[in-house]
Amino acid sequence: DAMVIQNPRYQVTQFGKPVTLSCSQTLNHNVMYWYQQKSSQAPKLLFHYYDKDFNNEADTPDNFQSRRPNTSFCFLDIRSPGLGDAAMYLCATSGRLAQTSTDTQYFGPGTRLTVL
Amino acid sequence: ILNVEQSPQSLHVQEGDSTNFTCSFPSSNFYALHWYRWETAKSPEALFVMTLNGDEKKKGRISATLNTKEGYSYLYIKGSQPEDSATYLCAFISSGSARQLTFGSGTQLTVLP
Repeated sequence: DAMVIQNPRYQVTQFGKPVTLSCSQTLNHNVMYWYQQKSSQAPKLLFHYYDKDFNNEADTPDNFQSRRPNTSFCFLDIRSPGLGDAAMYLCATSGRLAQTSTDTQYFGPGTRLTVL
Repeated sequence: ILNVEQSPQSLHVQEGDSTNFTCSFPSSNFYALHWYRWETAKSPEALFVMTLNGDEKKKGRISATLNTKEGYSYLYIKGSQPEDSATYLCAFISSGSARQLTFGSGTQLTVLP
């Protein structure tokens, strides 16, 4: 059974047109993360939520926002996608914060975003 | 920005061959290292978490070792099978007051039948 679900798996948007990616989890984990992975590069952490507390990485562009309306759902909003935002976006969860524990992260299958 | 490197970037092996690849990370301020396997069109899944210098972990035909003093971890696959084809990612977590989690760019393994 899927534990971290991402929809859609593929998303095409136009340059400058806002887009929202969604992630849901059935694990009841406290922490949810969003990563961006560009081709052949390392997944890059954009931000995470610990419960309702939002933590932005220092180098995450303002163009990227996130919402977590409840424990199960987390959204990634890209306000004005540029061509450079085309990437795979991975959502992950963990019970405790991965940066300060040895908890494993559970990943979704990712959403591949294309910007035309 | 922490430097976490994986090598090789990709490799092809024949079914039945054993193989290994490397994750290099800063040798100072080590907290933990994770290995993940990411098959195409699926979710990355955890293989191991390693915390102590000299750690060895094993799961079936896959094993990993850790050397925190010199800053590397090896992942070994014995008798590779086509189903082992995947990208193998390591994730380094630093210690100290400002913890960071940094992924490597992965090793893409293709096992040829």
